[in-house]
Amino acid sequence: DTGVSQDPRHKITKRGQNVTFRCDPISEHNRLYWYRQTLGQGPEFLTYFQNEAQLEKSRLLSDRFSAERPKGSFSTLEIQRTEQGDSAMYLCASSSTRTGSLNTEAFFGQGTRLTVV
Amino acid sequence: QKEVEQNSGPLSVPEGAIASLNCTYSDRVSQSFFWYRQYSGKSPELIMSIYSNGDKEDGRFTAQLNKASQYVSLLIRDSQPSDSATYLCAVLRDGGFKTIFGAGTRLFVKA
Repeated sequence: DTGVSQDPRHKITKRGQNVTFRCDPISEHNRLYWYRQTLGQGPEFLTYFQNEAQLEKSRLLSDRFSAERPKGSFSTLEIQRTEQGDSAMYLCASSSTRTGSLNTEAFFGQGTRLTVV
Repeated sequence: QKEVEQNSGPLSVPEGAIASLNCTYSDRVSQSFFWYRQYSGKSPELIMSIYSNGDKEDGRFTAQLNKASQYVSLLIRDSQPSDSATYLCAVLRDGGFKTIFGAGTRLFVKA
């Protein structure tokens, strides 16, 4: 396991369709994050998990978005009824927590580029 | 006010020069700070982390942190064309749970 893996790398979908992305974090990492990035902007926080628990969800995330991490390992991000404004790079990152430490560097996967036409 | 602010650039420096990238943040209780490099079309890559006031050096990179001024910087010595990328400043906040990113500074190193 050499890093965070995301699948697919690219996705083109028609407006109104549902899409699902998968993220496999670094194996010993218990935290997993989803970010969205559009051109010229930094990654925008969407949600994060500690183990299987979803601890925070950005208010920017509409009800069409849902994320799961059922066994505390891989995670999925689903977008229902996609809109053209959903076109972006969706990035997954993972990190680990160590007792008494705040040194939680996050490492990113290669991202899934979504294009809604 | 944005939580993490960076000059969008572009910052253009000649090969061999020092590139200086700056970042300010709004949350005074933030404890961990990171610099990521992002090439066009690729995902962010962690290059430096800093947690205490002062300087931290790693090869050609030096991160500087001043918590009183809520200011983080990254110096790149002997800049190379391969350093041309967008540099993202990131701050870990909310008790160490959420990393917030700036919009990034585009750096061009001219050969």
